[in-house]
Amino acid sequence: EIVLTQSPVTLSLSPGERATLSCRASQDISGNYLAWYQQKPGRAPRLLIYGASTRATDTPDRFSGSGSGTDFTLTINRLEPEDSAVYYCKRYGLSPPFPFGQGTKLEIK
Amino acid sequence: EIQLVESGGGLVQPGGSLRLSCVGSGFTFSDHYMDWVRQAPGKGLEWIGRIRNKANSYFREYAASVKGRFSISRDDSKSSVYLQMDSLKIDDTAVYYCARVQLVPHRTLDYWGQGSLVTVSS
Repeated sequence: EIVLTQSPVTLSLSPGERATLSCRASQDISGNYLAWYQQKPGRAPRLLIYGASTRATDTPDRFSGSGSGTDFTLTINRLEPEDSAVYYCKRYGLSPPFPFGQGTKLEIK
Repeated sequence: EIQLVESGGGLVQPGGSLRLSCVGSGFTFSDHYMDWVRQAPGKGLEWIGRIRNKANSYFREYAASVKGRFSISRDDSKSSVYLQMDSLKIDDTAVYYCARVQLVPHRTLDYWGQGSLVTVSS
């Protein structure tokens, strides 16, 4: 069973800085079927990135995804206060399991 | 506008049952697989199940944590998907989300409902 481990657990940065979030899989994720979600308190998750690097509809270009195999990264440039949220990576595809990472909480000071 | 609206959450005793509903609009519901995901209070996200579309025989898959207790069904004529939860445990307390599965090849979850809170407590 694939396990996704995100790091860091929490990240505190200032507006205008760059955030780098990591997601490491215990096994190769074929097809780079890896997505990133943003979740704000009391809200449903929102799809940001799929296919490891393709931005979803309405995702600002400050957000970018990269990586392949077992190591994936979400980069957020020019941080804004509204980027404060928990970010989850998730493996997807045709057949389960479809695990989520445990999340990275991003705080914008 | 694509929307998913859930209903049916509430308070239930351990061992009890509850059925959640999710109605989709703004897209061709019957084309899509549909997933359910839950989030325990203060915790992360957990995928719990999927129902495929008619072309794929409405095939259903579940996470081990709910298999045998939860059942997913759908009614495409009503653009609705359902989560029947039986033999509920305290650990099933969570916000439950329905989510649309993107069409091929990227079957990720691109639209989510607002969530429905299920509280299992005596």
